[in-house]
Amino acid sequence: GAGVSQSPSNKVTEKGKDVELRCDPISGHTALYWYRQSLGQGLEFLIYFQGNSAPDKSGLPSDRFSAERTGGSVSTLTIQRTQQEDSAVYLCASSLFGKGANEQFFGPGTRLTVL
Amino acid sequence: GDSVTQMEGPVTLSEEAFLTINCTYTATGYPSLFWYVQYPGEGLQLLLKATKADDKGSNKGFEATYRKETTSFHLEKGSVQVSDSAVYFCALSRFQTGANNLFFGTGTRLTVIP
Repeated sequence: GAGVSQSPSNKVTEKGKDVELRCDPISGHTALYWYRQSLGQGLEFLIYFQGNSAPDKSGLPSDRFSAERTGGSVSTLTIQRTQQEDSAVYLCASSLFGKGANEQFFGPGTRLTVL
Repeated sequence: GDSVTQMEGPVTLSEEAFLTINCTYTATGYPSLFWYVQYPGEGLQLLLKATKADDKGSNKGFEATYRKETTSFHLEKGSVQVSDSAVYFCALSRFQTGANNLFFGTGTRLTVIP
């Protein structure tokens, strides 16, 4: 079946612009996660959705970052007024909540470059 | 807080050599433990997992045993191949206690030379 998909695969933007990153999870997966992979910081958790609600936003690095999920499916991560330190690969993952050991399936990522 | 510490890389081995990548963790309760792998140009993939003490996860010739007494989950393979060249991440999840996200180690880059 189809895996987690993300778009765009690459995004280059200028400092100060807003960007939107999209994640389409595996059908039927109720849990969705955003992570960030950057040099020097490794893989960092950003936010977790269960259905359309986000019980854990603890990893969002600033109020410039926000995310939403609609219809219990697609999620959008928005970064406002981008800064150069936002450059990273943004990874989305989904899991079948309540099953197994929370095995998460990852998308290919969106590589964001802020000039 | 929860954390994972794994062996710094990079690691370079000859084909058919024995591989060990060390991973230790800090967590309250009883986390589930994972090894994820990222092949060049590809996304993160689950390699193996273990959900309780003394469980052994295995896949593609790789093994890791959940050792509660030493809080470790070391990854091993008896004979590596060139195709095993990738970055390996150790991770934990405290799903059972409501902390749903994965905590990752910093990753270890493995290069296998013919």
